[in-house]
Amino acid sequence: DAGVIQSPRHEVTEMGQEVTLRCKPISGHDYLFWYRQTMMRGLELLIYFNNNVPIDDSGMPEDRFSAKMPNASFSTLKIQPSEPRDSAVYFCASSGTPGSNEQFFGPGTRLTVL
Amino acid sequence: LAKTTQPISMDSYEGQEVNITCSHNNIATNDYITWYQQFPSQGPRFIIQGYKTKVTNEVASLFIPADRKSSTLSLPRVSLSDTAVYYCLHWGGSSYKLIFGSGTRLLVRP
Repeated sequence: DAGVIQSPRHEVTEMGQEVTLRCKPISGHDYLFWYRQTMMRGLELLIYFNNNVPIDDSGMPEDRFSAKMPNASFSTLKIQPSEPRDSAVYFCASSGTPGSNEQFFGPGTRLTVL
Repeated sequence: LAKTTQPISMDSYEGQEVNITCSHNNIATNDYITWYQQFPSQGPRFIIQGYKTKVTNEVASLFIPADRKSSTLSLPRVSLSDTAVYYCLHWGGSSYKLIFGSGTRLLVRP
């Protein structure tokens, strides 16, 4: 398996633009997590899905952020409109073991909002 | 309020044993304590997890006291390639939120 795949790896955009980050989890994994990492706040869980259903989105910063998982092999995290404070590395992770915290992380998307 | 704390940084030398402790004052009763390793420009990588007492795998050991309010990751005989940031992870008790510790930056010197 290729592991968790994220695209793009780098994204530079201007304030106000829409940004869409993509994730393909490991095949067979039922859980998918979106994280944001910054120097100031560390690793933060934004939202996670189980069997394509959002379970907890309380970490999503505000209404500008939205996430979807239309099927078991694809998820998106969208920011509209983007702001400079959204600049961070966004990680997607998947897990296939209920009750376990063993997650497999993607390489991340480094987002820069100018 | 669930609070998870780790030392910001630690220094060591090759061949030494390194112990990194994470304090988690409000951990979920039936949840694992998990540790991750992260290298620059990479996503975190799972190292080990446990529920209580001691767990050992090929790369590390994890010690968890009976009250589960802390855990200690033990890396035996570290090498230069162990230089990384180490995070503990658990589900917070009352709020049941997934919580990453702030991370411990380990520097292994020759």
